[in-house]
Amino acid sequence: GENVEQHPSTLSVQEGDSAVIKCTYSDSASNYFPWYKQELGKGPQLIIDIRSNVGEKKDQRIAVTLNKTAKHFSLHITETQPEDSAVYFCAAKKTNFGNEKLTFGTGTRLTIIP
Amino acid sequence: NAGVTQTPKFRVLKTGQSMTLLCAQDMNHEYMYWYRQDPGMGLRLIHYSVGEGTTAKGEVPDGYNVSRLKKQNFLLGLESAAPSQTSVYFCASSYDPATDTQYFGPGTRLTVL
Repeated sequence: GENVEQHPSTLSVQEGDSAVIKCTYSDSASNYFPWYKQELGKGPQLIIDIRSNVGEKKDQRIAVTLNKTAKHFSLHITETQPEDSAVYFCAAKKTNFGNEKLTFGTGTRLTIIP
Repeated sequence: NAGVTQTPKFRVLKTGQSMTLLCAQDMNHEYMYWYRQDPGMGLRLIHYSVGEGTTAKGEVPDGYNVSRLKKQNFLLGLESAAPSQTSVYFCASSYDPATDTQYFGPGTRLTVL
């Protein structure tokens, strides 16, 4: 089955700087890659996703890039703010296979230092 | 819409006791999931359901049972709790079987002594 590795496990950045979280996946057939944000005491929430037919997607201060050849994708957060502090999870899925489920990475705890 | 709700929010059990966690969603989603979240291990799928009356095993199903008698509810049962089942449990639902975009509940923190 699919295996998703996520790095780093913890990340601290100064407020206003950029943060980058990277994930690699093992199954070249995976074609859907969402990112979830989990705030303290809450469930994960989808913040952005990308499909394999595009290389980059942006939504205000967050962006995701995908390198299909290398089988890795990254989350970029620019101009970080204190409310960006959370645990972030990447995930991967093969959408053409009905029984396949999302496979999650192990998470990155991002801390924004004021 | 309340989205996905979970009850209870917290629970402490003794080894060998049983309990049921309830998940409810008001979005008319077909797909529902139960995950456990442990430090350093991310989200691991316990069981899932692709519709009312159906259930299937996920990555870590041992020690758990589930039922989906109504489309909006998905129950997770622990018949004989063990300390290894101490975890935070999340329920999620999805409407799109292709992308499987999932909407999560707030979680249940379970401690087994």
